[in-house]
Amino acid sequence: ETGVTQTPRHLVMGMTNKKSLKCEQHLGHNAMYWYKQSAKKPLELMFVYNFKEQTENNSVPSRFSPECPNSSHLFLHLHTLQPEDSALYLCASSLGLAGGPGTDTQYFGPGTRLTVL
Amino acid sequence: SQKIEQNSEALNIQEGKTATLTCNYTNYSPAYLQWYRQDPGRGPVFLLLIRENEKEKRKERLKVTFDTTLKQSLFHITASQPADSATYLCALLMDSSYKLIFGSGTRLLVRP
Repeated sequence: ETGVTQTPRHLVMGMTNKKSLKCEQHLGHNAMYWYKQSAKKPLELMFVYNFKEQTENNSVPSRFSPECPNSSHLFLHLHTLQPEDSALYLCASSLGLAGGPGTDTQYFGPGTRLTVL
Repeated sequence: SQKIEQNSEALNIQEGKTATLTCNYTNYSPAYLQWYRQDPGRGPVFLLLIRENEKEKRKERLKVTFDTTLKQSLFHITASQPADSATYLCALLMDSSYKLIFGSGTRLLVRP
């Protein structure tokens, strides 16, 4: 295990539902990330948090709302999603500023497989 | 436009042979390049990092090269084993950035 856990592992939701994905890291890292991985496409960075502050929002639609209450926990709140949002959502963490850019390798969780009906 | 290309076709090799995977990029000047392994249904796992001023990096049976002139990285697995079968992702990191940009990955199949 990488020290990054994600729940739930699988989620099926309707377009009108509201749900949340949870990520927790036990590595003492300072930076956390949300990625989207669709079939046959590269990993797409969605959000970056460094020391609980959002430093990157990669033009993500507002139906995805991140929350980082502390450096160990990251949430992704979902509402009124579209079928094309079905994908594997991956959380990652890294040392962040403490590790220095470039040397900052990322540790990924197992992902949440999301299906939007 | 900026692009990272990895061979989308699976690489199928015999156990014991050397696997070589390619990562090409255009319109980037990365300071660092990383390789990750991803198994089905799981998140990527970091393997190796190489800096722009390094030509080659090794770790056990793994070797990575980085040619900033050709804008290419090669990833080699020597004495390949069926357990090496997975998808391998390359990722670029710009200087002073935490934003990893990933390729689509190449699937490696090692036949016993």
